[in-house]
Amino acid sequence: AQSVTQLGSHVSVSEGALVLLRCNYSSSVPPYLFWYVQYPNQGLQLLLKYTSAATLVKGINGFEAEFKKSETSFHLTKPSAHMSDAAEYFCAVSEANQGGKLIFGQGTELSVKP
Amino acid sequence: NAGVTQTPKFRILKIGQSMTLQCTQDMNHNYMYWYRQDPGMGLKLIYYSVGAGITDKGEVPNGYNVSRSTTEDFPLRLELAAPSQTSVYFCASSYVQDTIYFGEGSWLTVV
Repeated sequence: AQSVTQLGSHVSVSEGALVLLRCNYSSSVPPYLFWYVQYPNQGLQLLLKYTSAATLVKGINGFEAEFKKSETSFHLTKPSAHMSDAAEYFCAVSEANQGGKLIFGQGTELSVKP
Repeated sequence: NAGVTQTPKFRILKIGQSMTLQCTQDMNHNYMYWYRQDPGMGLKLIYYSVGAGITDKGEVPNGYNVSRSTTEDFPLRLELAAPSQTSVYFCASSYVQDTIYFGEGSWLTVV
């Protein structure tokens, strides 16, 4: 069965510092992987997705993630945090034979200090 | 661009009452989903549909029912509301394996 683990329910960084949000997955077949962002009292917005093309995926707002099959990881990074990046981030996985259903991690809340 | 629209945005229910959360999408997506979000738990799939007339259970279907009579609409019905159903509910839609688009959420409190 698929599962997603996000390490750290809360991450705090200073403005301008590197953002690193960790995600590990388990899947019996090559997965599709996603990062979504959720701002307070809003729905989820897609940041980026991996669908078996390039292993380094670039998304919106300067975020990127690298698919590492050997480590079963899909960590999200951004070189320089901005105050507007403060939000909750969700990693999710789906499999080709699962009808597009997403399995979500528990989420990581990112705080950005001035 | 309306996308995925959910109503109501907020609702308070008494224990034992029933209600329907409405969801409609204007992107002609064949797949639609209902998720619930609880603090620290991520999102859990309640039900999903791969097309009009076809629905299936997700991870947490107990206490809920759905129907899909049209491509656009995917209502979620809560029967005999319980405090455990206090949550934020998200409707979503997609083409088969493409990006899933989410509505803005419905906050439900059962008291």
